[in-house]
Amino acid sequence: GAVVSQHPSRVICKSGTSVKIECRSLDFQATTMFWYRQFPKQSLMLMATSNEGSKATYEQGVEKDKFLINHASLTLSTLTVTSAHPEDSSFYICSARRLAGVGDTQYFGPGTRLTVL
Amino acid sequence: ELKVEQNPLFLSMQEGKNYTIYCNYSTTSDRLYWYRQDPGKSLESLFVLLSNGAVKQEGRLMASLDTKARLSTLHITAAVHDLSATYFCAGGSYSGAGSYQLTFGKGTKLSVIP
Repeated sequence: GAVVSQHPSRVICKSGTSVKIECRSLDFQATTMFWYRQFPKQSLMLMATSNEGSKATYEQGVEKDKFLINHASLTLSTLTVTSAHPEDSSFYICSARRLAGVGDTQYFGPGTRLTVL
Repeated sequence: ELKVEQNPLFLSMQEGKNYTIYCNYSTTSDRLYWYRQDPGKSLESLFVLLSNGAVKQEGRLMASLDTKARLSTLHITAAVHDLSATYFCAGGSYSGAGSYQLTFGKGTKLSVIP
């Protein structure tokens, strides 16, 4: 099956620092990638949709200046949490959309657990 | 705006028993997805349901879709402990900006006990 990787898998940082998370589709090209955030024991909330070569589309309530998304190639999207604060601590999951024959599906990365001290 | 509701949110069942998780969605959805999530892990794709009446089965899990009722079900047959996880359904739709996205239900935490 399709593989999506994320790096790092876990990061602990001090308040006020910036953290970059990478999302790669390893064996397919993804014109669209998605970034989700999941708080403990809650569902996934879509933060933004990332399209290769264009600006990301952010969901309502997500600060685009705080969560910088870059989709530089068909296999790589990055999420940078700028000036992180403890309330940004969460599980961040990316997914990549793969079009294959009839229907398509999103393949999810393994997630990045961010802890801001 | 698509809304997805799952029930139950918590399910404790004995090994060997059958049960069904329900997923209702509010407006027309392009596709209906089921995912499994183990603690501390990301999502594993289980099923993608494309059309009315679609039924897919994998092992002890069977998913179905009724687009007229806007309902999908995930049926568990003869549960085993390994099925303990959180199961999410998600509906696919196009946003106002034209991008295709998933809207997730709150998830059903399944615990299979001996």
